[in-house]
Amino acid sequence: GENVEQHPSTLSVQEGDSAVIKCTYSDSASNYFPWYKQELGKGPQLIIDIRSNVGEKKDQRIAVTLNKTAKHFSLHITETQPEDSAVYFCAASKDTDKLIFGTGTRLQVFP
Amino acid sequence: ETGVTQTPRHLVMGMTNKKSLKCEQHLGHNAMYWYKQSAKKPLELMFVYSLEERVENNSVPSRFSPECPNSSHLFLHLHTLQPEDSALYLCASSQDLRLGYQYFGPGTRLTVL
Repeated sequence: GENVEQHPSTLSVQEGDSAVIKCTYSDSASNYFPWYKQELGKGPQLIIDIRSNVGEKKDQRIAVTLNKTAKHFSLHITETQPEDSAVYFCAASKDTDKLIFGTGTRLQVFP
Repeated sequence: ETGVTQTPRHLVMGMTNKKSLKCEQHLGHNAMYWYKQSAKKPLELMFVYSLEERVENNSVPSRFSPECPNSSHLFLHLHTLQPEDSALYLCASSQDLRLGYQYFGPGTRLTVL
C-alpha cells in the first residue's frame, strides 16, 4: 500500500523567511496530493492541493511542487508570518482510494 | 452552523464506560469519515461512509462502533476502551468518495483512564 514520509518533523524560521516541507510517496499510481494545516485546538484545514497532471500550483504565499519521477512533492511558504505557525500534513491518494497522511511538520515562525 | 461540527470537544471516560461521539456536517456532502490522531503518528483512517453505507473499516477493534443514520450525521460509539485509545478523534466529510478534498471537524479529545 501507499506510504508517505514527511520531513522535517519540526521547522523554525524567522518571520519573513521561507519555509519548505517535503514529502515522498511510494505508490507511483497516486495522483492527488493535498496539504493540510492544523492549528492548535482545531481540525486540519485544506490549504492547497495538486493533481498529478501539473507540476506546480501557487496560491498567494503558498506553492506546491510535484516531481512524479522522483515521487516527491513539497510545500513552499514565502514571507512567513507568525500566523503560519501550525502543524502541516501532506497526503497522497489515487482515484477513489483513501488519503494516506504524512506524520506532520510543526512549523514555528518567530517574530 | 456551517462546516463540520463535533461534540463533545473533550471527553474523559473510564474503561468500563459507554459513550458516543457525534459529528454533523452542514455541507451537503455524501461521504463521511472517522480518523484517529495520536501524537507523532500519521492520521489513521478508521471508518468511511458513503451515502450512509459503510464502505471501509480499517481493522478497527469492535470496541469502536460507528453509526451513520443519515448523510449529515455520524456517530462513534465507544465501549470498554483501553488507555491507548486516548487520542484526538476527527470527523471529516467530502462531496463524495471521488477525489473530493475532505473537510475536518475540530475533533474530540478523548482520555481513557
